[in-house]
Amino acid sequence: DTGVSQNPRHKITKRGQNVTFRCDPISEHNRLYWYRQTLGQGPEFLTYFQNEAQLEKSRLLSDRFSAERPKGSFSTLEIQRTEQGDSAMYLCASSLGTSGGSFGTQYFGPGTRLLVL
Amino acid sequence: AQSVTQLDSHVSVSEGTPVLLRCNYSSSYSPSLFWYVQHPNKGLQLLLKYTSAATLVKGINGFEAEFKKSETSFHLTKPSAHMSDAAEYFCVVIPRNNNNDMRFGAGTRLTVKP
Repeated sequence: DTGVSQNPRHKITKRGQNVTFRCDPISEHNRLYWYRQTLGQGPEFLTYFQNEAQLEKSRLLSDRFSAERPKGSFSTLEIQRTEQGDSAMYLCASSLGTSGGSFGTQYFGPGTRLLVL
Repeated sequence: AQSVTQLDSHVSVSEGTPVLLRCNYSSSYSPSLFWYVQHPNKGLQLLLKYTSAATLVKGINGFEAEFKKSETSFHLTKPSAHMSDAAEYFCVVIPRNNNNDMRFGAGTRLTVKP
């Protein structure tokens, strides 16, 4: 399977703990996105990388959240001091953007479902 | 600013009957529009996209959507529902001036009755 993969698929943690999620994009894709999806809602944009550079962050991404893509391949999303309100599905997507500005279609992974107790 | 309104949170149809999932958008710029489907425990899958070519867009699994600028709509249709179509469907808008501002609707849950 050469699609976007995410690990773990499920995570249960206690409030105050730190958690880290991993996303492996489609190998030739230079753009990687993180989204959060809460129950009954559509995904909401969190942040975006082009290669290893984090180019945009949503105001939803509080200072407890940090994302990295150190070598322009896989990415990690860390949440520090988790709160119950962080419980959600965290989705990763990747796309192939061009130098001409075309953003390419985003392909999504299966998501990591986080439950904070 | 742009946004997407999916007019029905839940649609129920019988197998073999037509499907209509409604989506209206607002955008200050000529938008790109998408429909994604989300099956339980699976990632979002692109059904189809409109990017200023033909206004009637054909997607996978027999779905199609028509871009109607005068009505600011991008409704998703399928002539004959199949049991495997039961899923959550999301309408998405991206304004032309910001490739990364991908706005999802709240979703429409499609139920298909035998």
